[in-house]
Amino acid sequence: DSGVTQTPKHLITATGQRVTLRCSPRSGDLSVYWYQQSLDQGLQFLIQYYNGEERAKGNILERFSAQQFPDLHSELNLSSLELGDSALYFCASSVEVYRETQYFGPGTRLLVL
Amino acid sequence: GESVGLHLPTLSVQEGDNSIINCAYSNSASDYFIWYKQESGKGPQFIIDIRSNMDKRQGQRVTVLLNKTVKHLSLQIAATQPGDSAVYFCAENNFGNEKLTFGTGTRLTIIP
Repeated sequence: DSGVTQTPKHLITATGQRVTLRCSPRSGDLSVYWYQQSLDQGLQFLIQYYNGEERAKGNILERFSAQQFPDLHSELNLSSLELGDSALYFCASSVEVYRETQYFGPGTRLLVL
Repeated sequence: GESVGLHLPTLSVQEGDNSIINCAYSNSASDYFIWYKQESGKGPQFIIDIRSNMDKRQGQRVTVLLNKTVKHLSLQIAATQPGDSAVYFCAENNFGNEKLTFGTGTRLTIIP
């Protein structure tokens, strides 16, 4: 158990809908990262927050957004969902930024029908 | 652009044998490397890391070797066990780049 929690574990929804994925980092970690993993694909970095502020952006679609709250939990919002958005979404956390080990949560499996 | 790649997508090893998983990176500024293990249906799990001021680092049954000259990283797993079956990812980072760049992964299968 990495100490990172993610909810929900599974999510099934329809195209065009909007969902919110939630992540609670390890106690003491200030940095939160979101990744997308499609079937048999590597981890694609989406976005990073540090202590409530956005720090880095990766291949995140404009239909996706995220935020980190004062209690350091983070939410990833996915809107106007398409079939291709079906994937595993992982959250990771680390104490700081730069050359820090990231600890991953168990992921949310999203299926868009 | 920077990229991290793996030489082999799959690797099958007899139980009890040693396994070696390789990873190449292209960014010469990379100075921090991590190996992750991902079992089916689970999130990536940290195995071992190494910084660029080292050539070798050992953990429990695992050793990471870094060859900066040829930009190559390897993960050695000694005396493999069925529980070692998973996908292994290498990831790299460099000062000023706050995100890890992950390779595509190698699937390791342990044959009983």
